[in-house]
Amino acid sequence: RKEVEQDPGPFNVPEGATVAFNCTYSNSASQSFFWYRQDCRKEPKLLMSVYSSGNEDGRFTAQLNRASQYISLLIRDSKLSDSATYLCVVNLESSYKLIFGSGTRLLVRP
Amino acid sequence: EPEVTQTPSHQVTQMGQEVILRCVPISNHLYFYWYRQILGQKVEFLVSFYNNEISEKSEIFDDQFSVERPDGSNFTLKIRSTKLEDSAMYFCASSLDRSSGNTIYFGEGSWLTVV
Repeated sequence: RKEVEQDPGPFNVPEGATVAFNCTYSNSASQSFFWYRQDCRKEPKLLMSVYSSGNEDGRFTAQLNRASQYISLLIRDSKLSDSATYLCVVNLESSYKLIFGSGTRLLVRP
Repeated sequence: EPEVTQTPSHQVTQMGQEVILRCVPISNHLYFYWYRQILGQKVEFLVSFYNNEISEKSEIFDDQFSVERPDGSNFTLKIRSTKLEDSAMYFCASSLDRSSGNTIYFGEGSWLTVV
């Protein structure tokens, strides 16, 4: 079973749409959770951390369900500039490494 | 904003050749990392480095790979005898604290093509 699993997409949505991505992780020792954004052939960039209580940053809302080992990202009012690959990332307790999912590709069309 | 810089941005090398990828981490950072991403695949951890030694490495980081911080500013990844399957984007990263995804900064990557 993959350590971090995501639907690869692509999700093709019109501007202004709301879109949700899901991610599951297999290791219950996962301690920290993040959503990153990656543009084509660029480095991953932190979008937001994910907290158990859920958190929001502008149009972006992240949720974590530890019992189900499930993380979500909701993007409201999609912009053309949101087109990218969204990476679900976890960090295990007592580990230096980040574990990346394969990413979900989002295409926002005019 | 401080940034991690990597050179070269792109290198083409023949199979069996040695390659050194260079990185300048953010100046006050203490933890350094290499990740790689094969085209179309996920970002994978290679190695972390702290206090002048490897703190963690993945199964990918075999004897063909080595890291070094030769002069207190550069952080290098050496691939001793490249294989075709080493073709990938290699990302250097650094952090002030031990790796947590909200404190780590990635460089723009070095694209390695092995022919």
